[in-house]
Amino acid sequence: KAGVTQTPRYLIKTRGQQVTLSCSPISGHRSVSWYQQTPGQGLQFLFEYFSETQRNKGNFPGRFSGRQFSNSRSEMNVSTLELGDSALYLCASSPKQGAGEKLFFGSGTQLSVL
Amino acid sequence: DQQVKQNSPSLSVQEGRISILNCDYTNSMFDYFLWYKKYPAEGPTFLISISSIKDKNEDGRFTVFLNKSAKHLSLHIVPSQPGDSAVYFCAAITGNTPLVFGKGTRLSVIA
Repeated sequence: KAGVTQTPRYLIKTRGQQVTLSCSPISGHRSVSWYQQTPGQGLQFLFEYFSETQRNKGNFPGRFSGRQFSNSRSEMNVSTLELGDSALYLCASSPKQGAGEKLFFGSGTQLSVL
Repeated sequence: DQQVKQNSPSLSVQEGRISILNCDYTNSMFDYFLWYKKYPAEGPTFLISISSIKDKNEDGRFTVFLNKSAKHLSLHIVPSQPGDSAVYFCAAITGNTPLVFGKGTRLSVIA
């Protein structure tokens, strides 16, 4: 069974631009969560989607948005990029909503904002 | 407000000795606790968990202890191996809320 796939693996953008990251969950998984990892800050929850609906949202500005498609694939978008948005963005899928130990993470997208 | 705290950013242990990673939490509603392990350039992977109705859970070389009155949990790795060198994240959850992670502890096991 293929794992969680995130594309692209690396991304370099400049301030003010926007970016879209993609996540393909494990087949059969309907929940997709997004986390931001920055040095010294751990993993901070962005949002969770289940059956194309946003079920939970973290404490991030409205520049961060996401969506989930009918095939459970998910995208997250960051508009008007700031230097502080440089981070590793991790996507995780699970069979059901809020399933802690059943979260399977992808390898992440490393975003650098210059 | 950091609900899950890992106060040691790093820890070095000799191969064969015990590694003890600590985690404190503030939210008394948390009812399930997990440890994830992360290697560089990879996503975190689930390691071990414990329910709030237990005080200990063991899986091979890994044991997690929970002290609810102190709102503290710890992960013990015995014996430590070089392959255990990674960043370890403590996480907590209640109901269908998202996992809340600590900032992580980087474990280095020295051969």
